[in-house]
Amino acid sequence: AQTVTQSQPEMSVQEAETVTLSCTYDTSESDYYLFWYKQPPSRQMILVIRQEAYKQQNATENRFSVNFQKAAKSFSLKISDSQLGDAAMYFCAYRSPNAGNMLTFGGGTRLMVKP
Amino acid sequence: DVKVTQSSRYLVKRTGEKVFLECVQDMDHENMFWYRQDPGLGLRLIYFSYDVKMKEKGDIPEGYSVSREKKERFSLILESASTNQTSMYLCASNLIQTNTEAFFGQGTRLTVV
Repeated sequence: AQTVTQSQPEMSVQEAETVTLSCTYDTSESDYYLFWYKQPPSRQMILVIRQEAYKQQNATENRFSVNFQKAAKSFSLKISDSQLGDAAMYFCAYRSPNAGNMLTFGGGTRLMVKP
Repeated sequence: DVKVTQSSRYLVKRTGEKVFLECVQDMDHENMFWYRQDPGLGLRLIYFSYDVKMKEKGDIPEGYSVSREKKERFSLILESASTNQTSMYLCASNLIQTNTEAFFGQGTRLTVV
């Protein structure tokens, strides 16, 4: 079974600065997908960014980018120019084409943004 | 606008009660999931379903059952609620293709007293 680990329970960043959230995972598969989800205080989970394991190029969505290191099984999220609205819980998730396409989540990182 | 709707945002039940949590999606998704969210533990999968009447156990199925009689509806049942089932419950759905994102409901915060 796959496991996903987020080693930072809480992170803090100054508004307009850059922050990186860490995620590692354990798998024996070569084909899979990785996701970062954001959960603001409203509790509505929102997809931030996704990465296909077979793609070497790191995904980017506006101020959000990932550093995907397949050999190291690492998938970190970088948030540039942090905004107050970025304050939320962030979850890293792994999806396998096997095992019924289940999504496996990490424990989450609470990001605080200081004005 | 895609939608996953959970029947209640907040629920308070007594120990021993039978509890139903309902989830409906309007996106014709094959897969539906029930997760439990607890601080520091992230989201843990209780059950998922890939088709009508089909279900698979997740990581923590004990004390729960599910029902999927129609494609759009996935119900989580606590047969006899206990205080250790006090938690946030999230429903999600997605298409069967691996690269597609999951869409989530707004969660039900269940308190068992």
